[in-house]
Formats: sequence, C-alpha cells, structure tokens
Amino acid sequence: SQQGEEDPQALSIQEGENATMNCSYKTSINNLQWYRQNSGRGLVHLILIRSNEREKHSGRLRVTLDTSKKSSSLLITASRAADTASYFCATDISSDMRFGAGTRLTVKP
Amino acid sequence: NAGVTQTPKFQVLKTGQSMTLQCAQDMNHEYMSWYRQDPGMGLRLIHYSVGAGITDQGEVPNGYNVSRSTTEDFPLRLLSAAPSQTSVYFCASSYSRWPVGTEAFFGQGTRLTVV
Repeated sequence: SQQGEEDPQALSIQEGENATMNCSYKTSINNLQWYRQNSGRGLVHLILIRSNEREKHSGRLRVTLDTSKKSSSLLITASRAADTASYFCATDISSDMRFGAGTRLTVKP
Repeated sequence: NAGVTQTPKFQVLKTGQSMTLQCAQDMNHEYMSWYRQDPGMGLRLIHYSVGAGITDQGEVPNGYNVSRSTTEDFPLRLLSAAPSQTSVYFCASSYSRWPVGTEAFFGQGTRLTVV
C-alpha cells in the first residue's frame, strides 16, 4: 500500500496566487521529499526535509513537516503557469522510497 | 553527464512476450529502483537495489525480475507480459537511501502497452 497521500487530488488557481498541497503518511520516517512531474516526463526533485526539521525553504517553495501528525505541506508562492504539474510527496521507509498519488496543480495565466 | 537513461521510450508487446527495460546511470549511485505509474495510483515500487549484486522486492514485484551486475545498470525484465502490466515505468537512482536519504534522479520513463 502507498505510504503517502496527497491532498487535494487536484488544485486550480490563478497565476500569482499561492498553492498549498498536503501530504499525510502512515509510519515513522527519516525524511520526506517533494517531487514535481510535468506531463509525460520523469520526476524532478524539489526539496528534502529531514525528520528533525520543521520547515525548509527553497526559492518560492516552503515545506513544513509535523511528525506528530505525520503530515507535510508544500507551499508554492506567487505561482506561475510553468508551475502547472503534478506534485508528489515521497517518504523513506527502510531502504526504499514510497510515493503518494500526487496533486495535480493547474495554474491559469 | 547523462544522469539516468532509460530505453526504450515506447514499447508495444503482445501478451506472453518477454522483454527487458534498460536503465543506466552515470553518477556512481549505489541505490537504484524501478517504479510503475498508473493513472490515479501514483508511483509504486517494483524492485530496488542497494548495490551491485543486491536486489530486493518492492510493493508490486510479481511478473518482474531484476539483476544488478554493475553499479551503472539495473535492467527490469518482464517474464511473460500481461495487459495488467500496461503502464509507464520509471527508473531512479540516488546516492543513498538509508538511514540518510538523498534526492532521487529519475529517467524519462518507458511507456509500455501490452495488447
């Protein structure tokens, strides 16, 4: 079974707005990662947050991690049409990495 | 520096045929893995390897075989293709996984259709 679950499944916003996606997971983790996938392409790593970190920033991305609630959120600020993609969270369990089903983000110009 | 290279990009198989999906990385990563991606299901782990000569099963290993004779290559074999194996397959590699994970690099995928 999948470890992570993203919410919402789909999100549509206007350019310039912020987008927030959430990820919940089931078991204890060492770290959590977020990836982006453009249509028909491979996944691209965005950010990694370790279990002892609570917040991390990278450019317009902000990731939070709440290990007590087993959840993480990805915030994209000032979104652009080029941010249109699917976003996945991934968690490390032992020696493998498990993905959620993803959030499909559409940013309208 | 090519990263992770998958071949072929597209493939159509008949039920019962066998084939090998190729994956190669040039980053000297120890960890490599294969995922399949189906609509609405996200990525599911098929098999993974923590180094040459070492492989293990993921969530959905049935119908697939892997081997890891070199650090660079991690081929995925479909033994007898079935329509349920129609999917997009991704290979990934990373420097490490456990206990300190690092980012994974993905290939561009192989779109497989079994008729």
